[in-house]
Amino acid sequence: EAGVVQSPRYKIIEKKQPVAFWCNPISGHNTLYWYLQNLGQGPELLIRYENEEAVDDSQLPKDRFSAERLKGVDSTLKIQPAELGDSAVYLCASSQTGEETQYFGPGTRLLVL
Amino acid sequence: AQRVTQPEKLLSVFKGAPVELKCNYSYSGSPELFWYVQYSRQRLQLLLRHISRESIKGFTADLNKGETSFHLKKPFAQEEDSAMYYCALKHAGNMLTFGGGTRLMVKP
Repeated sequence: EAGVVQSPRYKIIEKKQPVAFWCNPISGHNTLYWYLQNLGQGPELLIRYENEEAVDDSQLPKDRFSAERLKGVDSTLKIQPAELGDSAVYLCASSQTGEETQYFGPGTRLLVL
Repeated sequence: AQRVTQPEKLLSVFKGAPVELKCNYSYSGSPELFWYVQYSRQRLQLLLRHISRESIKGFTADLNKGETSFHLKKPFAQEEDSAMYYCALKHAGNMLTFGGGTRLMVKP
């Protein structure tokens, strides 16, 4: 079992450029989460999906962030345009519907210059 | 709104010493709390949950509703316990609010 897969693992971009992160959850996990983790802080939830439906995106900055999970499996998180303050680790997690345990991916470390 | 506070950014102890990582929460509903751990170069993973009242790797945590705390304890720390520890509060549909984390360093 590969666990939650995320790519890329690292990304360096210049400000105002777009960037996208990809997540493949554990097979059979209907619930998918995107978290933002700033340096020295705990993860903060950005968006949660149940299958292909975003059931909570209240913390997602919609002016520049977007996410999709078209077929209810893989998900993409996009930032356009990126700002310096977006430098952080972006974590994806998944869980089975009705199960508490969330399984985290390795994260994508973004550096915006 | 829910909030989780871990007052210590860093906790350093010697091997064999007792460990207590503090976690306080603020939540208007019935709390469900968890400890997640991240070892060096590994993913964030669940350590234990209060509802199961289990001991994992020698760690225990008791929910104290009066003090709104969920401190993580281990009587004798081991070097392999060195990691980042995050306390998390579950709310509204399995969403988690995490504390800021505590880095535990166990010295030989």
